[in-house]
Amino acid sequence: QLRLQESGPGLVKPSETLSLTCTVSGASIGSSNYHWGWIRQPPGKEPQWLATIYYTKDTYYNPSLNSRVTISSDTSKNQFSLRLSSVTAADTAVYYCVRRDIMILAFDIWGQGTMVTVS
Amino acid sequence: EDVLTQSPGTLSSSPGERATLSCRASQGVSSSHLAWYQKKPGQAPRLLIYGASTRATGVPGRFSGSVSGTDFTLTISRLEPEDFALYYCQQYGGSPTFGHGTKVELK
Repeated sequence: QLRLQESGPGLVKPSETLSLTCTVSGASIGSSNYHWGWIRQPPGKEPQWLATIYYTKDTYYNPSLNSRVTISSDTSKNQFSLRLSSVTAADTAVYYCVRRDIMILAFDIWGQGTMVTVS
Repeated sequence: EDVLTQSPGTLSSSPGERATLSCRASQGVSSSHLAWYQKKPGQAPRLLIYGASTRATGVPGRFSGSVSGTDFTLTISRLEPEDFALYYCQQYGGSPTFGHGTKVELK
């Protein structure tokens, strides 16, 4: 059964870098059938897409985050990761790793989410 | 940025009633690149509808999506107790964006 599991610190200090990893089981992140990404949801707000990575290692980012965000993948570990630099309190949110099936294009599988507080 | 405007902000309904949720998109959103998600407290969003009108795997038939121009609609034909939740529309034509959501609450 497909499962996505986020891991990383739940507390990050302002101006530091937030780092999260998503471990995928039940599917290969090297498959050409899927894209992998990160979405966050601040308390009381709508979800916000952050980044997507393809099996080709091509990456796409939310332009509102400028150059603060980086997504990468490690196919040998079947993991992909997020780095968000220079964090502020506005980056406090639940962070989800997600899958996008290329036939559906919507985000069809989500991890359970991990709360990250910047303080 | 493609903007999605959801209405109403809150919908107060009773089990068994029909619920109609709206999502109006800015001009740039393709009619086929819109999805609906259900969000419950403490849970990840769940994909309900993609391509404006196709139900995702395992989604009950009481959920349906439709589109007219740039106006998208999610309809729940008869509300079940487990349907009271937040609902978001999302476009994925360019940089994906979400609407602000509609809360379906128990009247």
